[in-house]
Amino acid sequence: EVQLLESGGGLVQPGGSLRLSCAVSGFTFSKYAMTWVRQAPGKGLEWVSTIGGRGDATYYADSVKGRFTISRDISENTLYLQMNSLRAEDTAIYYCARAGTVLAIATEFDSWGQGTVVSVSS
Amino acid sequence: QSVLTQPPSVSGAPGQRVTISCTGSNSNIGAGYDVHWYQQLPGTAPKLLIYDNNKRPSGVPDRFSGSKSGTSASLAITGLQTEEEADYYCQAYDSSLSGFVFGTGTTVTVL
Repeated sequence: EVQLLESGGGLVQPGGSLRLSCAVSGFTFSKYAMTWVRQAPGKGLEWVSTIGGRGDATYYADSVKGRFTISRDISENTLYLQMNSLRAEDTAIYYCARAGTVLAIATEFDSWGQGTVVSVSS
Repeated sequence: QSVLTQPPSVSGAPGQRVTISCTGSNSNIGAGYDVHWYQQLPGTAPKLLIYDNNKRPSGVPDRFSGSKSGTSASLAITGLQTEEEADYYCQAYDSSLSGFVFGTGTTVTVL
């Protein structure tokens, strides 16, 4: 059974940093691209970042480019999102999701974690 | 910001058919990229409902169907059930953004 479990969320002041983790199991981690999607309170889904299965290709939404870094540790079966220079508008539930292919483009997200809450406030 | 436009809400009585539209542009749906649909029940994570325009993952009832034409796509739910009250989102890849885009989301209400 495919499982994704996010952690690392919390309350942080504007300008601060957080690192989110997503521990996966039930599939060969390196054979799938992985993505982060967020959902602000009462709002819709927003794509944040995607990394290819081999970790060699990364893509970011303009809203987080230069502030967030996606990475993966294949030996630990874990996906990460390093978030720096956080802003109030980054407040959201952050979901990790598995892509349908090893490539980081033009694919669906077929399995999702339960999400971790990030709140940016002073 | 979303570049795929959906109606904010649709409603129908139990057993009826409802459809949700998803309108994009020539850099996403119109460029030939597949459209995928997700169902988000209240308080839960999204779930893949339709992939590659019209394919259903294992376990998704055949009452859900998808289609795509030009720069738009649609999700149809036939035999609407009360437990299908949820938010529905379309998603595609966008070549001008070099990234993924979600639709604005549609809330389905069962009357």
